[in-house]
Amino acid sequence: DAGVIQSPRHEVTEMGQEVTLRCKPISGHNSLFWYRQTMMRGLELLIYFNNNVPIDDSGMPEDRFSAKMPNASFSTLKIQPSEPRDSAVYFCASSPGRDNYGYTFGSGTRLTVV
Amino acid sequence: SQKIEQNSEALNIQEGKTATLTCNYTNYSPAYLQWYRQDPGRGPVFLLLIRENEKEKRKERLKVTFDTTLKQSLFHITASQPADSATYLCALGRSGTYKYIFGTGTRLKVLA
Repeated sequence: DAGVIQSPRHEVTEMGQEVTLRCKPISGHNSLFWYRQTMMRGLELLIYFNNNVPIDDSGMPEDRFSAKMPNASFSTLKIQPSEPRDSAVYFCASSPGRDNYGYTFGSGTRLTVV
Repeated sequence: SQKIEQNSEALNIQEGKTATLTCNYTNYSPAYLQWYRQDPGRGPVFLLLIRENEKEKRKERLKVTFDTTLKQSLFHITASQPADSATYLCALGRSGTYKYIFGTGTRLKVLA
């Protein structure tokens, strides 16, 4: 298995532009998580899905952020409009959804908003 | 509010010694606790999971303890090697949810 695949690896965009981050979870994993990592705040959970259904989006910072999971093999995180304070590394992770398994993280997308 | 504390200062130890990292938490009752390793520019990698009713778990040179009375987990790496140098994160989860919250991590450097 290729693991959790995220794209792009790096994204530089101007303030006000729309940004879309993509994630392909491991096949057979039915839970998917979006995290954001910064030096100041560490890893913060933004949203998670179980069986393609959003379960908890309480970590989504503002209405500018939205996430979808149209099928079991694809998820997107969209920021519109982007702001400089959104600059961070965004990680996608998946898990089998059972309590004795850890998450498998992707390599992350480093987002810079200028 | 719930809080997870890991030593923000880097831990430097000599090769061959045992490294011990601490994870303390408040205002939270986790059923599970996980430890991850993160290398620069990469995503965290899962190492171990321990349940609230388990006192200790081992995997090769790794040992994790979980004390729900002290609200603390200790993570030990025995016979440490320079390749063990990384940031180590603890994460807490409740029963009935697959959602984990993470500490900010402790950077470990093993000196040759």
